[in-house]
Amino acid sequence: EIVLTQSPGTLSLSPGERATLSCRASQSVSSSYLAWYQQKPGQAPRLLIYGASSRATGIPDRFSGSGSGTDFTLTISRLEPEDFAVYYCQQYGSSPPTFGPGTKVDIK
Amino acid sequence: QLQLQESGPGLVKPSETLSLTCTVSGGSISSSSYYWGWIRQPPGKGLEWIGSIYYSGSTYYNPSLKSRVTISVDTSKNQFSLKLSSVTAADTAVYYCASPVSNPRGWFDPWGQGTLVTVSS
Repeated sequence: EIVLTQSPGTLSLSPGERATLSCRASQSVSSSYLAWYQQKPGQAPRLLIYGASSRATGIPDRFSGSGSGTDFTLTISRLEPEDFAVYYCQQYGSSPPTFGPGTKVDIK
Repeated sequence: QLQLQESGPGLVKPSETLSLTCTVSGGSISSSSYYWGWIRQPPGKGLEWIGSIYYSGSTYYNPSLKSRVTISVDTSKNQFSLKLSSVTAADTAVYYCASPVSNPRGWFDPWGQGTLVTVSS
């Protein structure tokens, strides 16, 4: 199965700053079949990005995804207070679908 | 707008079978447009796909759990269910039902709110 590694484990930033989160796969993710989710404490994950770069319905344009092959990035252009959360990547190009361990974005 | 809601016991004894149900609203479980799936998250840890099902009954399981998992659909109740046998403390987790998009192992949207299942005697 494809193992996903996310870095950094924790990202400490201030509101208004730019956040860059990395997701690296142990082998190439076919057709850029990669998604990103946001999870806040006590809540279910919320889909942000699919197909590596397509925003889900209702997701603000400050969230953007990029990458291909084994290296993918989620960028939050200007952090809003509600963006402090844990972010997971997921690959669905190979079975079984797998998730990364998450990156926590917390307030500096 | 599709909505999912998990239900079932919050406490299961070791060696017994965990049983959860997901009720679907805002859409038909028999629709050819949807797949249905289960994902779990141990406390403080990451996410693990358990398996998925199509309304026809075709199932897709994570090889790591396949020997213990059964997912089924009840079209009359617009529900799908998860059974996990021979549970241990390692199966303690928040269990989410979710809809994988475009294929049984796709990205997941939407998700239910999740239900915590604790395995303990």
